[in-house]
Amino acid sequence: GAVVSQHPSWVICKSGTSVKIECRSLDFQATTMFWYRQFPKQSLMLMATSNEGSKATYEQGVEKDKFLINHASLTLSTLTVTSAHPEDSSFYICSALRAGRRAFFGQGTRLTVV
Amino acid sequence: DQQVKQNSPSLSVQEGRISILNCDYTNSMFDYFLWYKKYPAEGPTFLISISSIKDKNEDGRFTVFLNKSAKHLSLHIVPSQPGDSAVYFCAASGEGGATNKLIFGTGTLLAVQP
Repeated sequence: GAVVSQHPSWVICKSGTSVKIECRSLDFQATTMFWYRQFPKQSLMLMATSNEGSKATYEQGVEKDKFLINHASLTLSTLTVTSAHPEDSSFYICSALRAGRRAFFGQGTRLTVV
Repeated sequence: DQQVKQNSPSLSVQEGRISILNCDYTNSMFDYFLWYKKYPAEGPTFLISISSIKDKNEDGRFTVFLNKSAKHLSLHIVPSQPGDSAVYFCAASGEGGATNKLIFGTGTLLAVQP
């Protein structure tokens, strides 16, 4: 199967700082990547759709200035959580669309803001 | 507004028996459905998918059934194995027909007892 690598797998940061999470498709090119957030014992909530070479499309209720998404190449999308606060602590997961309709997921990033 | 629902938060099955996980959706624009398996602190792993032009798709021990009129799909695992114990998410795409973004259900925790 396709490989999507997400880095880092966990990060602890101080409140008010920014954190960048990388999502790479290792063996295929992905024009479209997605960012999800998962709270404990809840479903994966889509945050935004990241399109290579254009602006991300954010879901309703997601602050675009808070969660900056950049999809600079066909194999890399980044999510930057700006001015992080404890309520931003969560599990963030990216996925990449391969040819067709199947999405492959990264291993996720556990963000803890203290 | 939960467009994809998994009404059973958990399911316990004996090893060797059949596991049946259910999923309902409300949006008739969905035309592609997927099942993912997820362990804690990891990204989801793709299991099986089905297009709305089919009503059944089989891959080894996994079979997905789609009932479009009822807006219902199910995943059958036969025979169930202890290694199948995980959270299972159904997902749907095709909303708006444009972005192929996946909308996830709330998940069902499957426990297969030895």
